[in-house]
Amino acid sequence: AILMTQSPSSLSASVGDTVTITCRASQGIRNNLGWYQQKPGKAPKFLIYGESNLQDGVPSRFSGSGSGTDFTLTISSLQPEDFATYYCLQDYNFPLTFGPGTKVDIK
Amino acid sequence: QVQLVESGGGVVQPGRSLRLSCAASGFMFSTYGMHWVRQAPGKGLEWVAVLSYDGTNQNYADSVKGRFTISRDNSKNRVYLEMDSLRPEDTAVYYCAREDYSSGNFAADHWGQGTLVSVSS
Repeated sequence: AILMTQSPSSLSASVGDTVTITCRASQGIRNNLGWYQQKPGKAPKFLIYGESNLQDGVPSRFSGSGSGTDFTLTISSLQPEDFATYYCLQDYNFPLTFGPGTKVDIK
Repeated sequence: QVQLVESGGGVVQPGRSLRLSCAASGFMFSTYGMHWVRQAPGKGLEWVAVLSYDGTNQNYADSVKGRFTISRDNSKNRVYLEMDSLRPEDTAVYYCAREDYSSGNFAADHWGQGTLVSVSS
């Protein structure tokens, strides 16, 4: 199975900050990478597919980049509703595997 | 609008079985693959299983292979997860999610609210 790692595991930021989350795959996964946001007690919400394409309705302050093994999620001008845990998910092959998550909380 | 509603969770003893159900509405269910994803208390997301739109192709996480079976009834717009030989480590909230490839890339674009399974004696 492809192992996904994320860094940092958590970070503290202020409203208006720009934050970057990194996701790394244990082998090349082309651009088969998505990002999901989860708030406490809620189901995950799909944000980005194909490593850089925003799902309809996702604010443009979210962006993704990367390919191969290294990927980033950037949130520009962090808003109060963005404080959550973010997961990457590889769909290059089965079993699909999530990263361990990055919790973004308020400084 | 797309809705996914899971049911069937509860408390079950180790070694016993449980069947989860996910009722879908608001889209043409028979044309979408469906997934189950779980989340143990305080932990991250773990992908569990997928079933193709027509029920012919399925894949499982190694942790559940041979114990869990995913199935669907397109006439009822439902996907199921039959869980046998349950273990305490299967305790989690189980989510169903719709698979979408309309963009050319995979997306688990809609999720249910989850159902809690607790395996304990």
